[in-house]
Amino acid sequence: DVKVTQSSRYLVKRTGEKVFLECVQDMDHENMFWYRQDPGLGLRLIYFSYDVKMKEKGDIPEGYSVSREKKERFSLILESASTNQTSMYLCASSFGGRAFFGQGTRLTVV
Amino acid sequence: GENVEQHPSTLSVQEGDSAVIKCTYSDSASNYFPWYKQELGKRPQLIIDIRSNVGEKKDQRIAVTLNKTAKHFSLHITETQPEDSAVYFCAAEENSGYALNFGKGTSLLVTP
Repeated sequence: DVKVTQSSRYLVKRTGEKVFLECVQDMDHENMFWYRQDPGLGLRLIYFSYDVKMKEKGDIPEGYSVSREKKERFSLILESASTNQTSMYLCASSFGGRAFFGQGTRLTVV
Repeated sequence: GENVEQHPSTLSVQEGDSAVIKCTYSDSASNYFPWYKQELGKRPQLIIDIRSNVGEKKDQRIAVTLNKTAKHFSLHITETQPEDSAVYFCAAEENSGYALNFGKGTSLLVTP
C-alpha cells in the first residue's frame, strides 16, 4: 500500500515568513509533485521532480521553490509567504502515471 | 501545459440513476487518463484509469470511455449510491510523460 505522508495537516503562518512543507513517500517512486487545491480551480501543479536534485516548474511556480535531496522526500518552500498562498497543498508521488496523494496540508497565511 | 476541461461542475442524481462526467483535453500526444474521487476532507484517490490503446474500461459500476480523435473521455457511474457522493477529477498526462493536468472537478451528489 502506497504511503505518501505530509508533515503537517494544518499550518498557520505570518505574512513574510519562510514556510517549509515536507512530503515523504515510501514506495521508491521516481516522480513527486506538489499541487495546490482551491475551490473551483481544481488541482494546479506547482512543481514536480522526476529524480533526485531534479525539478521542473508546473503551471503556477511563482512564489514557490522545491528541494529534492533524497528520493523519498520532496519539500515545497514558500520563500516569503503571502495571503494569496492560503490554500490546500497536496503532495503526490507516481509510478506508471498513477499518482498517489498525501493527506494534504491546509496552510493559512495571516 | 495541457488544458483539461471538465463538465458539469455540479451534478445531482437520485440513488440508482446513472451519472456521466465528461472531459476534453488539448494535447493530442496525451496517452494516459485517470479519474480521481475526493471525499470531503480526504485525499484524492484513483478510481479508474485508461490508456490510449483502449477505448473503454470497466470496473464494476464505473466505466471510462475514450475518444482520441475527438480528444474527450468520460466517466460513467451506474446504479449510483449515496457513498458515491464526492468530487471527481479527470486528468490527462502531460506530453513530458511525468505530470498530470487536472480538470476543475465535478461535485456529485447522490440523494436517497
